[in-house]
Amino acid sequence: GQQVMQIPQYQHVQEGEDFTTYCNSSTTLSNIQWYKQRPGGHPVFLIQLVKSGEVKKQKRLTFQFGEAKKNSSLHITATQTTDVGTYFCAGPRAGGTSYGKLTFGQGTILTVHP
Amino acid sequence: DGGITQSPKYLFRKEGQNVTLSCEQNLNHDAMYWYRQDPGQGLRLIYYSQIVNDFQKGDIAEGYSVSREKKESFPLTVTSAQKNPTAFYLCASSIGLAGALFNYEQYFGPGTRLTVT
Repeated sequence: GQQVMQIPQYQHVQEGEDFTTYCNSSTTLSNIQWYKQRPGGHPVFLIQLVKSGEVKKQKRLTFQFGEAKKNSSLHITATQTTDVGTYFCAGPRAGGTSYGKLTFGQGTILTVHP
Repeated sequence: DGGITQSPKYLFRKEGQNVTLSCEQNLNHDAMYWYRQDPGQGLRLIYYSQIVNDFQKGDIAEGYSVSREKKESFPLTVTSAQKNPTAFYLCASSIGLAGALFNYEQYFGPGTRLTVT
């Protein structure tokens, strides 16, 4: 079945450093979503990418969807302590009995040292 | 305020007991989901529902049951048959189900942390 892998699993950075997490799917995705979960909290939707090669920005966050629509990345410029949390990517499964299901990556846990 | 509520936040049960986790939404969403989250793992889908009185098994449905008698409510019962029930349980809702052509943002509740001893 479809697998979505995220790397790295953990990332520790000093405040002000950049951070990138990568999401790789075993199958082509029609779209991909990113979520952020603060420590002790629940996932919150960040963005959805749909088009091949799409790049979207939200302030210091840059999201990319690969040309082949099998990978995606989230880049944070000049991290702040408020960026701490786990970042998940998620893609819909294709066809048949998989309709309606999202596959989540295992997440990248980001810690930021002040 | 529109949103999803889950109760209780923390739940403790003895092994062998069934327990029901509450999930209510006032977003008028058709689709609702239950996920399980274990440390170091992503979200694993337990059950989901597109419409009242209809629900589908997710990837790890064994030992769990759900009902969808009202659009707003999607309670999850963790039965004694679930071998390792201690986990963080998240309920979510969206306008519609994730599909091949389009996907919908999922709104998550605050979660219930279940501990079974």
